[in-house]
Amino acid sequence: DTEVTQTPKHLVMGMTNKKSLKCEQHMGHRAMYWYKQKAKKPPELMFVYSYEKLSINESVPSRFSPECPNSSLLNLHLHALQPEDSALYLCASSPPGAANEQYFGPGTRLTVT
Amino acid sequence: EDQVTQSPEALRLQEGESSSLNCSYTVSGLRGLFWYRQDPGKGPEFLFTLYSAGEEKEKERLKATLTKKESFLHITAPKPEDSATYLCAVRPGAGRRALTFGSGTRLQVQP
Repeated sequence: DTEVTQTPKHLVMGMTNKKSLKCEQHMGHRAMYWYKQKAKKPPELMFVYSYEKLSINESVPSRFSPECPNSSLLNLHLHALQPEDSALYLCASSPPGAANEQYFGPGTRLTVT
Repeated sequence: EDQVTQSPEALRLQEGESSSLNCSYTVSGLRGLFWYRQDPGKGPEFLFTLYSAGEEKEKERLKATLTKKESFLHITAPKPEDSATYLCAVRPGAGRRALTFGSGTRLQVQP
């Protein structure tokens, strides 16, 4: 298995809803990432997990809550989001090593109404 | 502060018309420079990693090169299916895993 999968592909949620995004990889990668991407902008890093521990939080609001239950799975729990949080949410993973390339999933297109 | 600047912002080519995309960077201790291709509404697809000045990598019609200050992505005889946004990203040193992305070049190849 050489890919990163993300579910759901599309998500529409109200500002009072609670939902979760899921990301999975079976490539043995030990670093996993969440990015947010707005239209015509580059991906912006949100969180990094290294060996299932949160190593980077780029000052993301607490309404986004990441979780890494095991080395293959990464979740992003969403609660009380704002319309401006609508974006493409990308998950990526990278193998152990020095300058390691990151492999991205197809993303979840999130719309907050 | 790490910075990545890509030019041009958008590029329109005729099929078969070769060109180059530029990625200029300022980073402390470059650990790697990455090129990605992104189609609309999809995740970036990894293309190349370059580690040191003088290095070159090729894949089909694409060739990436690296100097101490910039990288070029050369597209030879492009086809319409090469239309996409091409993103450049750098990983700085000091153990930081996060990538710094440029804003991308939107390439359109017309038949």
